[in-house]
Amino acid sequence: GAGVSQTPSNKVTEKGKYVELRCDPISGHTALYWYRQSLGQGPEFLIYFQGTGAADDSGLPNDRFFAVRPEGSVSTLKIQRTERGDSAVYLCASSFSGGATEQFFGPGTRLTVL
Amino acid sequence: QKEVEQDPGPLSVPEGAIVSLNCTYSNSAFQYFMWYRQYSRKGPELLMYTYSSGNKEDGRFTAQVDKSSKYISLFIRDSQPSDSATYLCAMSVGSNYKLTFGKGTLLTVNP
Repeated sequence: GAGVSQTPSNKVTEKGKYVELRCDPISGHTALYWYRQSLGQGPEFLIYFQGTGAADDSGLPNDRFFAVRPEGSVSTLKIQRTERGDSAVYLCASSFSGGATEQFFGPGTRLTVL
Repeated sequence: QKEVEQDPGPLSVPEGAIVSLNCTYSNSAFQYFMWYRQYSRKGPELLMYTYSSGNKEDGRFTAQVDKSSKYISLFIRDSQPSDSATYLCAMSVGSNYKLTFGKGTLLTVNP
């Protein structure tokens, strides 16, 4: 079946604008994760959903970042008033359960804030 | 000090060499240890997954975990040019589902 998909693959925006990044997990995966990967760094955890609810949002850097998963499948990461420091690759991953089992990653959305 | 330390390299080896990649960590609560491979402009792909201490082998890849030293390793035997990628170590405490990654080591295998 299809893997994790993310859209758009690239997003260029201006400082201060609002952006939405979308993640389609593997069908049947109940757990969904968002990570952010800056250049030359490993991915850093942002938020984890189990079903529709955010089970752990401790990695969101500030209140400009918000994520939803209203039907327990597709998730959207929303960033308000973007800043140049938000430029990074935003990765989404999904897994069968919330345990430490394999997380399947999507290709990421490369966000550039000018 | 970061929870997970990984030498970013770069590491360049000839085809057929044995490659050793390592990470150290400071959080003794980590129970699950993983190695991911990431090709340029792609998402990470899981290579090896280990629970607790010990060795695990899968084809040309061997993962080792030494919890007493807080040290994990990935060995690649008979390395191939197609192994050229960034290798990321990742860890989890288990019931806390987020992964904590190292910076990644960029490996180039030269034909």
